[in-house]
Amino acid sequence: EDQVTQSPEALRLQEGESSSLNCSYTVSGLRGLFWYRQDPGKGPEFLFTLYSAGEEKEKERLKATLTKKESFLHITAPKPEDSATYLCAVQPGHNDMRFGAGTRLTVKP
Amino acid sequence: DSGVTQTPKHLITATGQRVTLRCSPRSGDLSVYWYQQSLDQGLQFLIQYYNGEERAKGNILERFSAQQFPDLHSELNLSSLELGDSALYFCASSISTSGANVLTFGAGSRLTVL
Repeated sequence: EDQVTQSPEALRLQEGESSSLNCSYTVSGLRGLFWYRQDPGKGPEFLFTLYSAGEEKEKERLKATLTKKESFLHITAPKPEDSATYLCAVQPGHNDMRFGAGTRLTVKP
Repeated sequence: DSGVTQTPKHLITATGQRVTLRCSPRSGDLSVYWYQQSLDQGLQFLIQYYNGEERAKGNILERFSAQQFPDLHSELNLSSLELGDSALYFCASSISTSGANVLTFGAGSRLTVL
């Protein structure tokens, strides 16, 4: 069965304290792995797509990496405005996008 | 504004009632997805349509149904509502079902069942 597991569930950082979020997955086939950001009460917002092991993508303070079994979202020198829930999703086939439960990130000034 | 429009934004109703949630996809997108997000839970995939046809089904209850119309807007019908149906319901759209599909989400419809 296709599964997506994110850890930790919650992460509290001080401003400037770098860290990583993990997304491990088990799928029969992978068309893409996605990272989204969700602010409270709003819809998820797309961040990155990763297609194959070894691929990396960067955007401002965020960097996403992918291996055959997991993906990491690295946050470098985070700011309070980076506080949000970060969702990982996998697309096993043509249809169906499976999301993890998310990591709730809080960055304190 | 993501380009995906969901109505209503908020809905309060009683147990046993029926409601309809509406979604207009982003211009040019043919595929519509529905997700349920309960308090402290992740996004649960309900159902997906592509150009009017059902393409994938997730953990959608038999009390729930959906359709996509010729103008590509979609409706999610929830009937015999229970307290546990209280949640945020998100619609998302994508341009196709081939390749890796980036989803664009609407702002959600918050359903409260009393």
